[in-house]
Amino acid sequence: DQQVKQNSPSLSVQEGRISILNCDYTNSMFDYFLWYKKYPAEGPTFLISISSIKDKNEDGRFTVFLNKSAKHLSLHIVPSQPGDSAVYFCAAKHSGGSNYKLTFGKGTLLTVNP
Amino acid sequence: EADIYQTPRYLVIGTGKKITLECSQTMGHDKMYWYQQDPGMELHLIHYSYGVNSTEKGDLSSESTVSRIRTEHFPLTLESARPSHTSQYLCASSPQANTGELFFGEGSRLTVL
Repeated sequence: DQQVKQNSPSLSVQEGRISILNCDYTNSMFDYFLWYKKYPAEGPTFLISISSIKDKNEDGRFTVFLNKSAKHLSLHIVPSQPGDSAVYFCAAKHSGGSNYKLTFGKGTLLTVNP
Repeated sequence: EADIYQTPRYLVIGTGKKITLECSQTMGHDKMYWYQQDPGMELHLIHYSYGVNSTEKGDLSSESTVSRIRTEHFPLTLESARPSHTSQYLCASSPQANTGELFFGEGSRLTVL
């Protein structure tokens, strides 16, 4: 049973426009959420995170929004650039005894067209 | 610049062979992890370690084993490879402060014929 869901396997946007990647979760114990970016033949790299006590975190062109009541988070990239083309994984960590573990979604392939 | 290294990057091997995937990090991180990922799927934790001589199984059952004799080294071993072991194996580490941020290696893609 997937606890972190990324329902869009792929997304295609034009350069300069906004990219919105979505993620839903089911476990109320999750208290920290992260986005990772993965290029082909490379390992994932950390992009941005948000604590459950916040509803927004911004880092340059990247903003993550958290809606706890809806158990939903989204990653906004503005403006999108061709170099942003990659697979984006949503991940969550919970506050219980297994707080070392991350639960990942299946990822969304973002393609930014020039 | 990656400070966590995995070898080999790619390995094609026959059924029944023993393989070891190497993972080393130079960041002095106490926590290390092995994740398994199939194409289009989520990463699944198969092993983790809090520190030297500490290893635990992850969420996904795996026939592989790990060891942590030195802080910087966390190898994964399959005693007898099978086609079902074909996958990408990602090693990661994190500092003691548990923000959830992991530093990943580039991965080892294993194909068992």
